[in-house]
Amino acid sequence: DIKMTQSPSSLSASLGERVTISCRASENINNYLSWYQKKEDGSVKLLIYHTSRLQPGAPSRFSGSGSGKDYSLTISGLESEDIATYYCQQGYTPYTFGAGTKLELK
Amino acid sequence: EVQLVESGGGLVQPGASLKLSCVASGFTFSDYWMSWVRQTPGKTMEWIGDIKYDGSYTNYAPSLKNRFTISRDNAKSTLYLQMSNVRSEDTATYYCTRRLYGGLSPFDYWGQGVMVTVSS
Repeated sequence: DIKMTQSPSSLSASLGERVTISCRASENINNYLSWYQKKEDGSVKLLIYHTSRLQPGAPSRFSGSGSGKDYSLTISGLESEDIATYYCQQGYTPYTFGAGTKLELK
Repeated sequence: EVQLVESGGGLVQPGASLKLSCVASGFTFSDYWMSWVRQTPGKTMEWIGDIKYDGSYTNYAPSLKNRFTISRDNAKSTLYLQMSNVRSEDTATYYCTRRLYGGLSPFDYWGQGVMVTVSS
């Protein structure tokens, strides 16, 4: 199975700050990388897929980049509604997820 | 509006069976691959398996394929997860998800999740 290593595991940031979360796969996943947002109420949303494609409805302040084994999610200016836990997921079966990054307000 | 509503969770004893359901609305259910994903109390997300839009193909996580079965009833827009011989490590929140465009695509919609607790 492909292991996904996400960092950091938690992050404190201020409103308006630029935030970056990283994800490293144990092997090349050829850009088949998605990012999800999970809020405290349990809701989960797809934000980014295929490394950098913004899911319709996701705010444009979210962007993704990367290639090979290394990928990142960036929030260009943190808003209060972005407080959540973020997960990366690779697209080869068996599909695996990162351990999550809990984003908190500083 | 796409909605996925899971049900059937609860407290179950080790070794027992349990069947989860997910009723879909807001889209043509029979056009989409569907999947189940679970999140453990330790917050680990784990993919359980997929089912093709017509029910003709399923794919499972190797560690679960002998105990879990995914099925669907397109006439009822309902997805199922049959869990057998459950273990304490199956304690989790179970999410019904839709695949964006096929079996290798991301999970574009998620239900609210249903909790399953395995304990004697």
